[in-house]
Amino acid sequence: GENVEQHPSTLSVQEGDSAVIKCTYSDSASNYFPWYKQELGKGPQLIIDIRSNVGEKKDQRIAVTLNKTAKHFSLHITETQPEDSAVYFCAASVNDMRFGAGTRLTVKP
Amino acid sequence: DTAVSQTPKYLVTQMGNDKSIKCEQNLGHDTMYWYKQDSKKFLKIMFSYNNKELIINETVPNRFSPKSPDKAHLNLHINSLELGDSAVYFCASSPIGQSYGYTFGSGTRLTVV
Repeated sequence: GENVEQHPSTLSVQEGDSAVIKCTYSDSASNYFPWYKQELGKGPQLIIDIRSNVGEKKDQRIAVTLNKTAKHFSLHITETQPEDSAVYFCAASVNDMRFGAGTRLTVKP
Repeated sequence: DTAVSQTPKYLVTQMGNDKSIKCEQNLGHDTMYWYKQDSKKFLKIMFSYNNKELIINETVPNRFSPKSPDKAHLNLHINSLELGDSAVYFCASSPIGQSYGYTFGSGTRLTVV
């Protein structure tokens, strides 16, 4: 089955800096790669996703890149703000969703 | 109107008890899931139901039994609760055969004492 690895497990940045979270996956048949943000006491919320026929997608301050050959994808957050502080999960999907272990992002004001 | 709702939000119970967690979705999705999130935040799929039919049953003790009375509901019943069952349990749903539109509930924090 699919195995998703996510790095780093914790990330601390200064407000205004950029943050990058990286994931690798094992199943070359995976064709959908979403990113979720989980705030304290809440369920994961989809923030951006990318499909296997696209290399990059951007939505305001967040962007995701996908390298299918290398089987890795990354989340980029620019101009970070304190409200970006949360746990972020990557996932890869063929028929069902498999999640990375999560990255706890802290943005210091 | 909440898309995926779980009850209860918090559940504290003693070892050996039997408890249930309920999940309902009003998105018209055909597939529903249960995930377990441990203290390290790792999200692990437990079960997947597609239109009331069990699709995925990961390595989960048989003390855990999902029940889907209709495609909008997926309940989780746990027998003989153990300390290691303490976790946050998330229900999710998605359109049939799709991972797109995957939506999570807000979770049920189960504490076994």
